[in-house]
Amino acid sequence: GENVEQHPSTLSVQEGDSAVIKCTYSDSASNYFPWYKQELGKRPQLIIDIRSNVGEKKDQRIAVTLNKTAKHFSLHITETQPEDSAVYFCAASTRTNDYKLSFGAGTTVTVRA
Amino acid sequence: DVKVTQSSRYLVKRTGEKVFLECVQDMDHENMFWYRQDPGLGLRLIYFSYDVKMKEKGDIPEGYSVSREKKERFSLILESASTNQTSMYLCASRLENEQFFGPGTRLTVL
Repeated sequence: GENVEQHPSTLSVQEGDSAVIKCTYSDSASNYFPWYKQELGKRPQLIIDIRSNVGEKKDQRIAVTLNKTAKHFSLHITETQPEDSAVYFCAASTRTNDYKLSFGAGTTVTVRA
Repeated sequence: DVKVTQSSRYLVKRTGEKVFLECVQDMDHENMFWYRQDPGLGLRLIYFSYDVKMKEKGDIPEGYSVSREKKERFSLILESASTNQTSMYLCASRLENEQFFGPGTRLTVL
């Protein structure tokens, strides 16, 4: 099955700086890569996703990049704010089973004021 | 607004007890999922259901079973609870690409 690895496990950044979280996946058939954000005590929510026919996608201060050859994808958060503090999960799924997501272990991001 | 609810936020059970966790969604979604969330391990898929009465094993189905008799309700059953099943359990339903999660049930097995 798919194996998704996520790094780092924790990340502390100064407010206003950028944060980058990286994930690698094992199944070359994977073609859908979402990112979920879970604030403390709350449920995970989808913040951005990318499909394998696209190399980069942006939504305001967040962006995701995908390198299919290397089988890795990354989340970039620019101009970090205190409300960006949360646990972020990457995930991957394949075309033939696209409702089954394999999640990474999560990255706890802390934005220091 | 999609609403996914779970029957309990906190639950304490004893080893060997049969435990039922229930999840209800109000948006007529076909696909529903049960995950457990443990620190450092992320979200691990226990079981999922792509339609009523249909179920498939996820990555860690051992010690669990599920029931989906109605489209809106997906139940997770621990036949004989063990201490290693102490965890946060999250239910989700899926619309197109997005999974919508419930608030979670923190289960403690003593």
